[in-house]
Amino acid sequence: NAGVTQTPKFQVLKTGQSMTLQCAQDMNHEYMSWYRQDPGMGLRLIHYSVGAGITDQGEVPNGYNVSRSTTEDFPLRLLSAAPSQTSVYFCASSYSGHQLNTEAFFGQGTRLTVV
Amino acid sequence: GQQVMQIPQYQHVQEGEDFTTYCNSSTTLSNIQWYKQRPGGHPVFLIQLVKSGEVKKQKRLTFQFGEAKKNSSLHITATQTTDVGTYFCAGPIRAAGNKLTFGGGTRVLVKP
Repeated sequence: NAGVTQTPKFQVLKTGQSMTLQCAQDMNHEYMSWYRQDPGMGLRLIHYSVGAGITDQGEVPNGYNVSRSTTEDFPLRLLSAAPSQTSVYFCASSYSGHQLNTEAFFGQGTRLTVV
Repeated sequence: GQQVMQIPQYQHVQEGEDFTTYCNSSTTLSNIQWYKQRPGGHPVFLIQLVKSGEVKKQKRLTFQFGEAKKNSSLHITATQTTDVGTYFCAGPIRAAGNKLTFGGGTRVLVKP
């Protein structure tokens, strides 16, 4: 059982480049989300999805797009990378993201550097 | 601003000693979760508390949910080097659409 799989693990981008961070889960979870982690800032929610075809913005959505065409996959797109997007990105999934949150399973993370 | 606050941000602990880290929310929470992230790793779920005043134990870790459901604590007894990492609390914040909002974390360093 793979859980939540993120690719790539490391990435270096030049300012202005675009790329997609991949996230897949095999637990049939409804709820998936993307967080970024910066020193001293904890985990900040970028975008989330409560099911296939449904996405919404989190706390820090600017500069990122998401889509959810299947239950399993939730890719995060950086449209035009900026140095401020240098961070560690985590994808997470859980059975339900509603009022009574269930355990969130995190991927291994993608360490992104924008130069 | 951050709606879930954790203190302290850093905790240096002598091996064998006890310590407590605290989590405070600006609003009442329906539940609170705790996660541990080892250096270089990803957050891993530890526990969820739901009831007012609830106390749960996992070996040397004791988790408590405040009576007003606005704060929580994690107490570790007889700290070991395996306790090194960052501990996060997280709760659904109404102002954030009830999505899981994480505190800034407490980074624990253990001195042997």
